[in-house]
Amino acid sequence: AQTVTQSQPEMSVQEAETVTLSCTYDTSESDYYLFWYKQPPSRQMILVIRQEAYKQQNATENRFSVNFQKAAKSFSLKISDSQLGDAAMYFCAYKGGATNKLIFGTGTLLAVQP
Amino acid sequence: NAGVTQTPKFRILKIGQSMTLQCTQDMNHNYMYWYRQDPGMGLKLIYYSVGAGITDKGEVPNGYNVSRSTTEDFPLRLELAAPSQTSVYFCASSYSADRADEQFFGPGTRLTVL
Repeated sequence: AQTVTQSQPEMSVQEAETVTLSCTYDTSESDYYLFWYKQPPSRQMILVIRQEAYKQQNATENRFSVNFQKAAKSFSLKISDSQLGDAAMYFCAYKGGATNKLIFGTGTLLAVQP
Repeated sequence: NAGVTQTPKFRILKIGQSMTLQCTQDMNHNYMYWYRQDPGMGLKLIYYSVGAGITDKGEVPNGYNVSRSTTEDFPLRLELAAPSQTSVYFCASSYSADRADEQFFGPGTRLTVL
């Protein structure tokens, strides 16, 4: 079965600095997608970025980028120029395999210090 | 578009009571999902539906029932509420089950069973 692990329950970053959130996953599949979702205090889950396993190029969305290491099964999220509005819980998620269901990690709570 | 809407936002139930969590989407999505989020955990799939009249169990279906009579609505029924069902419940939808497809989430319902 596929699993997603986020080993950092909490992280903190200074405003305007860069922070990297870690995510590792376990799968025997070769075709899958990985996602980062943001959950602010409002609870609304918002898709931040997605990465297809077959693409070697790391995905980028404005200040958000990923470091996808397929062989190491690692999928970290880098937030550049951190803003107060980036403070949230961030979930890493995997989708693939026979069921194609979203499997979530336990989340990383990011605090942004002014 | 309102996206995915859920009612109620908050609810307190007594042990043994029943209730229905409502979920509606206006994006004409075929796939709909119910998740629960326990403190310090990621989201776990309760039930999902691939279209009107078709539902299937997810990872944690015990104690819940669903129905899908229309494309727009996907209610989740709790029978004989138990303290273990205290959680935040999220409804989501997607156009298809394709790996690349984004799931759009509702704002969640915080349920407490006392």
